[in-house]
Amino acid sequence: EDQVTQSPEALRLQEGESSSLNCSYTVSGLRGLFWYRQDPGKGPEFLFTLYSAGEEKEKERLKATLTKKESFLHITAPKPEDSATYLCAVQEETSGSRLTFGEGTQLTVNP
Amino acid sequence: NAGVTQTPKFRILKIGQSMTLQCTQDMNHNYMYWYRQDPGMGLKLIYYSVGAGITDKGEVPNGYNVSRSTTEDFPLRLELAAPSQTSVYFCASSYFVGGEQYFGPGTRLTVT
Repeated sequence: EDQVTQSPEALRLQEGESSSLNCSYTVSGLRGLFWYRQDPGKGPEFLFTLYSAGEEKEKERLKATLTKKESFLHITAPKPEDSATYLCAVQEETSGSRLTFGEGTQLTVNP
Repeated sequence: NAGVTQTPKFRILKIGQSMTLQCTQDMNHNYMYWYRQDPGMGLKLIYYSVGAGITDKGEVPNGYNVSRSTTEDFPLRLELAAPSQTSVYFCASSYFVGGEQYFGPGTRLTVT
């Protein structure tokens, strides 16, 4: 059974204080790992897809990396508008298009 | 494009009542999904569809039913609502297997 564990559950940063969020996963064969951002009261918003170990993707202050067992979402010099819950999800090779989500990391960036 | 739209935004049901949550997408995506999200939790897949006329169960299908008669619409039916179905429901769609899923704004359902 696919498993996704995100840590920490919650993270408070000061504006400009860089940090990383972790997503550990267990799948028999990974098709893709997805990162989403979710603001309160809204649906998840797609950020990145990573397909193979060693792959990296960047968008503004966010950078996602992937190894064979985990993914990191690095946040460089965060701003208060980066405050949100960040969700990680995996898609297993034989599961079709289904995603298995982690419980998310709630990030708060204080000005 | 409006993307993925869901109605209603909020609903309160009494135990034993039934309702249909509506989901429509205008991106011509073949794949559509229904998730539920409980407070502080990740999303759990209820049902999904790979095209019109084809649906399959996800992780938590009990108490729900779906149909997919068109590419655009994927309604979720709750029969005999129970308090355990109090949750936020999200509909999503994707263009292909392995593609990113686009989510609607959600329906907040309370069963009392």
